[in-house]
Amino acid sequence: GNSVTQMEGPVTLSEEAFLTINCTYTATGYPSLFWYVQYPGEGLQLLLKATKADDKGSNKGFEATYRKETTSFHLEKGSVQVSDSAVYFCALSEGETSGSRLTFGEGTQLTVNP
Amino acid sequence: GAVVSQHPSWVICKSGTSVKIECRSLDFQATTMFWYRQFPKQSLMLMATSNEGSKATYEQGVEKDKFLINHASLTLSTLTVTSAHPEDSSFYICSAGLARAKNIQYFGAGTRLSVL
Repeated sequence: GNSVTQMEGPVTLSEEAFLTINCTYTATGYPSLFWYVQYPGEGLQLLLKATKADDKGSNKGFEATYRKETTSFHLEKGSVQVSDSAVYFCALSEGETSGSRLTFGEGTQLTVNP
Repeated sequence: GAVVSQHPSWVICKSGTSVKIECRSLDFQATTMFWYRQFPKQSLMLMATSNEGSKATYEQGVEKDKFLINHASLTLSTLTVTSAHPEDSSFYICSAGLARAKNIQYFGAGTRLSVL
């Protein structure tokens, strides 16, 4: 079956530091890959996505590249801000419809200190 | 756009009672809604998938008589935890799929259930 593995947290950084959150996956086909973010007290929000190998998803300064050869989708940001403090979830979907299920990683808590 | 509202955000109930959680898509029609359960410091576990007007599809190991899901309209799905017990205490999250958004899901803020 499908699975997603994220680096263990929590991760604590100082403002303007470089961020990497590792994510690897196992899938039977060619999934779409996602990063969702959950701010305190809020629901998950889509941060970025990539639908095929070598695609790069980007949003709000965050980037992730779909690496088929290493089955990875690592999240990066060059300079984090305090407002980036949240829980980040890597996920995959093998379908292309609104009814397609998502498989989530464990989530990584990020805390950015001023 | 694509806002999902979940209510209540927090509920405390006595053991043996039933609790209903509502999930509404506020500005779109949701072709599919999903219900997840999240344990502390763990990932989201899919409980069931529901389509409007049809029976929900439950994941293996999820008791359908325990967790009743009703998807009466394209904007409302409800999860009822029947005869709740302390082990049902958890964080329940719903999401909705939008036909034109393919495999993207829009999430509610979640409901914290505490069973005494």
